[in-house]
Amino acid sequence: EDQVTQSPEALRLQEGESSSLNCSYTVSGLRGLFWYRQDPGKGPEFLFTLYSAGEEKEKERLKATLTKKESFLHITAPKPEDSATYLCGALRETSGSRLTFGEGTQLTVNP
Amino acid sequence: DSGVTQTPKHLITATGQRVTLRCSPRSGDLSVYWYQQSLDQGLQFLIQYYNGEERAKGNILERFSAQQFPDLHSELNLSSLELGDSALYFCASKGASEAFFGQGTRLTVV
Repeated sequence: EDQVTQSPEALRLQEGESSSLNCSYTVSGLRGLFWYRQDPGKGPEFLFTLYSAGEEKEKERLKATLTKKESFLHITAPKPEDSATYLCGALRETSGSRLTFGEGTQLTVNP
Repeated sequence: DSGVTQTPKHLITATGQRVTLRCSPRSGDLSVYWYQQSLDQGLQFLIQYYNGEERAKGNILERFSAQQFPDLHSELNLSSLELGDSALYFCASKGASEAFFGQGTRLTVV
């Protein structure tokens, strides 16, 4: 069964304090690894898709990387407006295209 | 704006009732996913349609059903509602690469 696990569940940072969020996955035939940001009561906002091990993508203070078993979302010098829940989802290649998500990491950045 | 439209935004209904949630995907996207998100929980995959056909099924209850129409919009039908069905329901529209979510329908069963 497909499994996506995110850690930590919650993370508190001071403004400017860089850190990383982890997403480990067990998916039969990974077709893509997705990162989203979700604010309370809102729909997830697309950030990145990664397709193969070694791939990296950046957007402002965020950088996502992918290995064969996990993905990291690195946050450099975060600001309070980066506070949100970050979701990781894995898309399988076989038996349809099921997109399975982890439970998310709730990030709080204090000023 | 993701380009994915979900209606209604809010829905309050009584136990035992039936409701229909609607999703219009982004122009050109053939694939629609439905998810349930209960309070402070992750996204639970319900079902996926691609160009009108069911492609993948998650932990969707028998009381729930979905379909995708020829114009590619999708509907999620929830029947015999229980208090525990109260949640945010999201659809996501996927093209060749990215998957974009709508703003969700908040269902409250009283």
